[in-house]
Amino acid sequence: QVQLQESGPGLVKPSETLSLTCTVSGYSIASGYYWGWIRQPPGKGLEWIGTIYHSGTTFYNPSLKSRVTISVDTSKNQFFLNLTSVTAADTAVYYCTRVVDILAEANHWGQGTLVTVSS
Amino acid sequence: QSVLTQPPSVSGAPGQRITISCTGSSSNIGAGYYVHWYQLLPGTAPKLLIYGHSNRPSGVPDRFSGSKSGTSASLAISGLQAEDEADYYCQSYDSSLSGWVFGGGTKLTVL
Repeated sequence: QVQLQESGPGLVKPSETLSLTCTVSGYSIASGYYWGWIRQPPGKGLEWIGTIYHSGTTFYNPSLKSRVTISVDTSKNQFFLNLTSVTAADTAVYYCTRVVDILAEANHWGQGTLVTVSS
Repeated sequence: QSVLTQPPSVSGAPGQRITISCTGSSSNIGAGYYVHWYQLLPGTAPKLLIYGHSNRPSGVPDRFSGSKSGTSASLAISGLQAEDEADYYCQSYDSSLSGWVFGGGTKLTVL
């Protein structure tokens, strides 16, 4: 059974960098699939942040591209999200996902982690 | 303002059938990109309900069905149950944005 678990600071100061880790169990990232990040601000809808292939190829939301980096460490079976220069608008529940294909769906999701941007 | 448009809310009595629409454009649903549906319940991981317009993952009851026509898609839930009360989101790929797009979400209330 594939499981994903997000981890990282729950509070980040404005202008700093938000860093999250997604630890995958029950499946080896190196075996394939894409891996992605999606967020949901309080009271709002889902927003795609970006997706990475196990080989390292990345796809980013154009509105966030200048601030986002997604990377993968297959040896640790983890992938990561870095979002720089955060503001209150980046406060959200962040989900990590396993993605069938960049044109397809997310078939496994983590529980999500709330990150608040505040001084 | 989401790229895909969903009604903010729908409601129905137990046992009834409801549908949730998802309207896109020629750069996403109308271009032939697949539509997928997710169920979000508070405190739980989001769940894939429908993929590829109308396919159900293993374990999803056949009360849930999806369809697509032109630049729109729909999620139907028949035999409504109290446990279906949740938020539902559609998702597709958009060629203009070169990435994923979501609907604004629909809150289903079971009366």
